[in-house]
Parts: sequence; C-alpha cells; structure tokens
Amino acid sequence: GAGVSQSPSNKVTEKGKDVELRCDPISGHTALYWYRQRLGQGLEFLIYFQGNSAPDKSGLPSDRFSAERTGESVSTLTIQRTQQEDSAVYLCASSSTLAGVGELFFGEGSRLTVL
Amino acid sequence: ILNVEQSPQSLHVQEGDSTNFTCSFPSSNFYALHWYRWETAKSPEALFVMTLNGDEKKKGRISATLNTKEGYSYLYIKGSQPEDSATYLCAFWKSAGNMLTFGGGTRLMVKP
Repeated sequence: GAGVSQSPSNKVTEKGKDVELRCDPISGHTALYWYRQRLGQGLEFLIYFQGNSAPDKSGLPSDRFSAERTGESVSTLTIQRTQQEDSAVYLCASSSTLAGVGELFFGEGSRLTVL
Repeated sequence: ILNVEQSPQSLHVQEGDSTNFTCSFPSSNFYALHWYRWETAKSPEALFVMTLNGDEKKKGRISATLNTKEGYSYLYIKGSQPEDSATYLCAFWKSAGNMLTFGGGTRLMVKP
C-alpha cells in the first residue's frame, strides 16, 4: 500500500493475555518507530528499528514488551501478560532516513483496551 | 529526559480567527524540530521539518518559525477553518539522537 498500515485497528483483551500488534511500513523505508499514547498523555517513544536492528530498547516500559522487524519491512510489537496500564493507542511510523530531517509517516494506530 | 512543552493545551476559536501556538524545547544539542497535525480517527501528518535557526516555513494558511538559540517554535494559522480542528504536535530531534521527542500537543477546535 501507499501508506503505513497497522493491524488490528482495535483490540480488546483481558488482563493477563498476550497481544501482537503489526505494522507494515512504507516500502523502502529503513527506519521504523513505535510510539504509544495513553489517555491524557503525549506520545511516548517505545522503540526504533534501523533495518532489522533495534539499537536502543530503553524506551520499552517493561520486559513484557518486545518487538521485532523482519525483511526490513513488517514489524510486530508483542505485549505479554497485558495489564490495564498498557491500554493505549500504539502508533507505528516509518521514515526513509534515520536522521531527524526526514518526516515520519504514521499509521492510524492500534487502539488496545485491557479489561 | 528531554522536555518539549506546548502551549496552550487546548484552544477554541471562531471560524476566521487567526491563532498561534508555542513549542519550547532544549536549546542545546538541537538538530531538528517537527510539526505534525493529528485529526481525530486519522494518522498524524507532517506539516513542517525545520532545522535552521530563523527558519520560516509556510503551507497554505499555516506557517511556522524557529528559534533554536532560545528553544522555541511558533505555529500560526491564518483565518482558521473548521477543517483545521485537530491536535497539533511538535517534536524535537536532538543531535546524535535516534528518535523524536513529542510535546503534549495543542488541541484546536474551530467553531463555524
């Protein structure tokens, strides 16, 4: 597709379940970012990929969060044993360059609700 | 921790009014400043990427200025229209950094 695609768009899950969120970036974009926005808060950086590598995982809020990227394309964000505080909109973005002068192209987000 | 602050948090204006918002960011280690517009149920969309002190950029009725020495940027909307209603986000990229740090956003509502 022409833009960044995320799935699912909405996910309701029970506390303690695992969830996977998927991101299809724009073809050819080497940099991929995950952010989240919890209710009433700003965008919070989670992780970025340069190609298939994630040089800095310090933004992940806990060891229940993990992410991978394959083929310099699709990325999956996995949250294990979900907690209510994980409820948020998870946004993926891609960029043709890693450096900050390249604009980020965002998907529409995956809204996660943990009951 | 980088502090990127936006003000006001929200703003209600009448159609036709001109308005402006502020983004403040660290004045040291500056590399780039981004502005995005995020409409409800859509994805954030880039408005401007600014890198040079004194930069002024314009897109239609929207313009932005940048002062890297004092650490602020202004976004201006001339003659606001209802379709301008959105959250406006600024984001800071520091030199040798690897991510954008976003401010909390300014939510603009334009009444017809």
